Amino acid sequence: QQQVKQSPQSLIVQKGGISIINCAYENTAFDYFPWYQQFPGKGPALLIAIRPDVSEKKEGRFTISFNKSAKQFSLHIMDSQPGDSATYFCAARPHRDDKIIFGKGTRLHILP
Amino acid sequence: EAQVTQNPRYLITVTGKKLTVTCSQNMNHEYMSWYRQDPGLGLRQIYYSMNVEVTDKGDVPEGYKVSRKEKRNFPLILESPSPNQTSLYFCASSLRGSTGETQYFGPGTRLLVL
Repeated sequence: QQQVKQSPQSLIVQKGGISIINCAYENTAFDYFPWYQQFPGKGPALLIAIRPDVSEKKEGRFTISFNKSAKQFSLHIMDSQPGDSATYFCAARPHRDDKIIFGKGTRLHILP
Repeated sequence: EAQVTQNPRYLITVTGKKLTVTCSQNMNHEYMSWYRQDPGLGLRQIYYSMNVEVTDKGDVPEGYKVSRKEKRNFPLILESPSPNQTSLYFCASSLRGSTGETQYFGPGTRLLVL
């Protein structure tokens, strides 16, 4: 009920390509879905987040797509760059709460 | 400069010796939380606080204590550390507004319990 399942575990994309990372959840009480980016040796950084009242949110080259009926959301990185190589975590949090559940992470490598 | 600081950054200790990892933020954020990160398990929330004197359990609170006596500080206490608490720990603070949320993580504390 509380899990957030993230796939793939690792991903290799050519420079300029589209990177896509998927997450699925079960708890319908979740209503805040952030994505985090973490570089080696650094703490995570909030990258982009979405609430279920919209189906898509775009910030620069990063887009979250949200499918409420399927209980799935995904991160798309357009025109992927070597500097995007990092580990990405999806997460989900219930309304009016700070208890958050993370996916296990995706290690993304962009080939130059 | 907006930041979350953690101390110490690295710590080696022995089983049963009480320790405290400090966390401080300079942004007047109401929300603070602690996470641990382990290979293959990703990030897991330990405790969180929605304001001074308000704390609650996250996903993996066993073996940990926290306190929030001041808005800026949120220390993590291990009363009797065990080897399974060897991990990388992150503190974070966040601000929620009508237009969105900002969140900052500390640099991490790497703990080894022998």
